[in-house]
Amino acid sequence: AQRVTQPEKLLSVFKGAPVELKCNYSYSGSPELFWYVQYSRQRLQLLLRHISRESIKGFTADLNKGETSFHLKKPFAQEEDSAMYYCALSQMNRDDKIIFGKGTRLHILP
Amino acid sequence: EAGVTQFPSHSVIEKGQTVTLRCDPISGHDNLYWYRRVMGKEIKFLLHFVKESKQDESGMPNNRFLAERTGGTYSTLKVQPAELEDSGVYFCASSLGGGRSHEQYFGPGTRLTVT
Repeated sequence: AQRVTQPEKLLSVFKGAPVELKCNYSYSGSPELFWYVQYSRQRLQLLLRHISRESIKGFTADLNKGETSFHLKKPFAQEEDSAMYYCALSQMNRDDKIIFGKGTRLHILP
Repeated sequence: EAGVTQFPSHSVIEKGQTVTLRCDPISGHDNLYWYRRVMGKEIKFLLHFVKESKQDESGMPNNRFLAERTGGTYSTLKVQPAELEDSGVYFCASSLGGGRSHEQYFGPGTRLTVT
């Protein structure tokens, strides 16, 4: 089965504390992994993808094929990070549908 | 540059009625996708157009849903007749063509409420 699992529906973290949003996946082909973010009253947007290996807004995510995980991390949370975060995957090197997890709401406490 | 636009932003209809949602992709994007998020569930794929052709419609829930993309520009998604379980947010996304896993850009969504 092709599936993305985000175990936490809600994660509350104090400002300045480290953040880790968990994501595990199962996929039979060669997946490309993504993190999408939706800020309040904004549209869903791509935060980062594993093939680019970039750090966006201080967030990083490493693909661990052995553990089939793609956890999102940031060393120091900021209030503007409060948003809904979706882990997702698609078939590598193809314009194909995206399979989303249920999302984790990240709430940064002041 | 305008992003993906969707109309209407919100629609409230009664069970049994018909609703048509519209999506205008980013100009020049050959790929157009429809997704849906039903309350409490994940965002799920409905179908994928490449230009005017349906590339993958494996996510369409049943034959009450009809999607079109005449001329390869905007797309419509019609639900006829609507049922209560069709309530949710319908997202459209578009991306460049060429088959190389281009970034999908999402519209703001249409919130459909069936009463």
